[in-house]
Amino acid sequence: AQSVSQHNHHVILSEAASLELGCNYSYGGTVNLFWYVQYPGQHLQLLLKYFSGDPLVKGIKGFEAEFIKSKFSFNLRKPSVQWSDTAEYFCAVTSFLGGATNKLIFGTGTLLAVQP
Amino acid sequence: DTAVSQTPKYLVTQMGNDKSIKCEQNLGHDTMYWYKQDSKKFLKIMFSYNNKELIINETVPNRFSPKSPDKAHLNLHINSLELGDSAVYFCASSRPFSGANEQYFGPGTRLTVT
Repeated sequence: AQSVSQHNHHVILSEAASLELGCNYSYGGTVNLFWYVQYPGQHLQLLLKYFSGDPLVKGIKGFEAEFIKSKFSFNLRKPSVQWSDTAEYFCAVTSFLGGATNKLIFGTGTLLAVQP
Repeated sequence: DTAVSQTPKYLVTQMGNDKSIKCEQNLGHDTMYWYKQDSKKFLKIMFSYNNKELIINETVPNRFSPKSPDKAHLNLHINSLELGDSAVYFCASSRPFSGANEQYFGPGTRLTVT
């Protein structure tokens, strides 16, 4: 069964620090990869997604992620975080199950707290 | 211009009651979903409908019954509520199922069972 691992459960950074959140998935077939963000008390919003092509994907708010197929990883990065980046970050993967389903499997999330 | 909306936003009820959560999307999407987010923020898919047809049913107790009257609506009815049903329930929608299509989430319904 497919799974997604986020190894950092809770990250605390100061403003202007660089961010890297790890995400690994376990599935050998074709995957599509996503990072969603959930600000306190809000719904999930898409940060960025990877389908094919350039493995370095740029998203909104200065975030980017790199797909490394050999490592089954899709780490999220931002060179300089802001207090407003405080949120829960979820990595997710969809896999193709006979073309009949679009099943989005989430990691357990990483809570990022940015201190001013 | 709410894309995916859910009602109610908060729901507090007692064990044994029956309750419903409604979801509507105005994005013209064919596929809708229900997710459960537990107290540890873990998100898991419960159901998926494509054009009113059930596609995914993820070993959810049969006390949970989704209903899709049309492709813009996907409601969730829960019978005989239990303490363990307390969670945030998110509705989502996407264009016809394809891994390439992102899912748009509603604001969530926080269900508290006492």
